[in-house]
Amino acid sequence: EIVLTQSPATLSLSPGERATLSCRASQSVSANYLAWFQQKPGQAPRLLIYDASSRATDIPDRFSASGSGTDFTLTISRLEPEDFAGYYCQQYANSPYTFGQGTKLEIK
Amino acid sequence: EVQLVQSGAEVKKPGESLKISCKGDGSTLTHYWIAWVRQTPEKGLEWLGMIYPADSDTRYRPSFRGQITMSADKSINTAYLQWSSLKASDSAIYYCARPRVTGRLDAFDLWGQGTRVIVST
Repeated sequence: EIVLTQSPATLSLSPGERATLSCRASQSVSANYLAWFQQKPGQAPRLLIYDASSRATDIPDRFSASGSGTDFTLTISRLEPEDFAGYYCQQYANSPYTFGQGTKLEIK
Repeated sequence: EVQLVQSGAEVKKPGESLKISCKGDGSTLTHYWIAWVRQTPEKGLEWLGMIYPADSDTRYRPSFRGQITMSADKSINTAYLQWSSLKASDSAIYYCARPRVTGRLDAFDLWGQGTRVIVST
C-alpha cells in the first residue's frame, strides 16, 4: 500500500500570500497518477488537480501543481478568502487508492 | 447538471443491517468505476472499493472485504453499499465518487453529497 504523507498538517497564512503544500509517497506513483482535492466543512471533496499537474475543469489558474515519483507539490499563488479549507492528495496508480491525511489551510 | 445523489443520513444500532445508495442524475454510471470513500476524524479519507455497474465487477480494499458489499442496478443508474451487521466503528460519512473517464480508474471529479452513518446503542 502506498502511504501518502502531507505536510504541513496546518498552514497559517493571510489572503494574498502564497501557499505551498507537500505530498510525499512511500513509493513511486506510477504515471504520476496523483490528484489534489479541496474540501470545505460539510462538503464533499472537490477535484483540483489530476495527473499530478493538470487542472480540473473550472479550477482557477492560481492553483498549480507539480512533482513526479514520490514528491508532489500543490501551490496556490495568491490566496483568496475562499481558499482556506482542507487539502488532500490521493494516488490512483495502485490499489488500494490511498489518500494523504490532509493539510488544513487556515487564516492567519 | 450532472450529479450523484446519495440517500439520507442513517442512525442504526450495532448488529443492524444497512444499505445506502448513490444515483446518477443527468449521467449514466454504467461504464464508470464507481468508488465508495469514507471519512472519519480518526482516519480521514479512505477508499473502500469500487464497482463497474456494466457487469458488476467489484474490487474491495482488502481490509474491508467481507465487511461491506457493493452492488449496482444499471437499469436505475444506482450503486449501493451495504452492511449485514454494523459496528460502532462503521460510523462515518460515506461518499460515492465517479472518475473523470469511463472504463478505468482515474481521478474522481464527481462526488455525491455524502451519507452520514451513525452506529450507536
